[in-house]
Amino acid sequence: NAGVTQTPKFQVLKTGQSMTLQCAQDMNHNSMYWYRQDPGMGLRLIYYSASEGTTDKGEVPNGYNVSRLNKREFSLRLESAAPSQTSVYFCATKRTEQAGYEQYFGPGTRLTVT
Amino acid sequence: EDQVTQSPEALRLQEGESSSLNCSYTVSGLRGLFWYRQDPGKGPEFLFTLYSAGEEKEKERLKATLTKKESFLHITAPKPEDSATYLCAVHPFRRGGYNKLIFGAGTRLAVHP
Repeated sequence: NAGVTQTPKFQVLKTGQSMTLQCAQDMNHNSMYWYRQDPGMGLRLIYYSASEGTTDKGEVPNGYNVSRLNKREFSLRLESAAPSQTSVYFCATKRTEQAGYEQYFGPGTRLTVT
Repeated sequence: EDQVTQSPEALRLQEGESSSLNCSYTVSGLRGLFWYRQDPGKGPEFLFTLYSAGEEKEKERLKATLTKKESFLHITAPKPEDSATYLCAVHPFRRGGYNKLIFGAGTRLAVHP
């Protein structure tokens, strides 16, 4: 089992370009999440999908959109990249949206916007 | 406001030198506290979940404990392979709305031979 996979691993964009980060899981989990991680700060939630067919904003959603394509896949789109979006992006999954369950993370996508 | 603070920011140990990492939290109610290990260039790896004060969990050289205001990750006789960033996250109780996980900024642990 691959667990949680993310593509690409690295990406460099110019300001104003768009791109989609892909996440897939084979854990049969219902809930999926997108986080960003910046130096000196905790992981911050961008968007989440409690279950297939639903998506909601997290703490820092501005400049991003998401699609829950099916139970396995959850993508994050940057429509017009900005230098402030330079970060490491992690996808995570959880068995259910109920509190108390742990999340499992992918390996991350390192994005640089110049 | 719900908050999670980890200390110290960085810790350097000699191999075999035991120590503890701290995670202090301020939340209205606790539904779970999680510890993760993160190696450079990788995603966080789940270690433990703690639910109530007095609970303890162990795995190899690591032991996590929980009180009403903080959690400790005790590392006994660490080895260089224990070097990583350790993240603490709290799931607060909240009526209505999204019940998000709140992460601390992490403690960078370096264990030298």
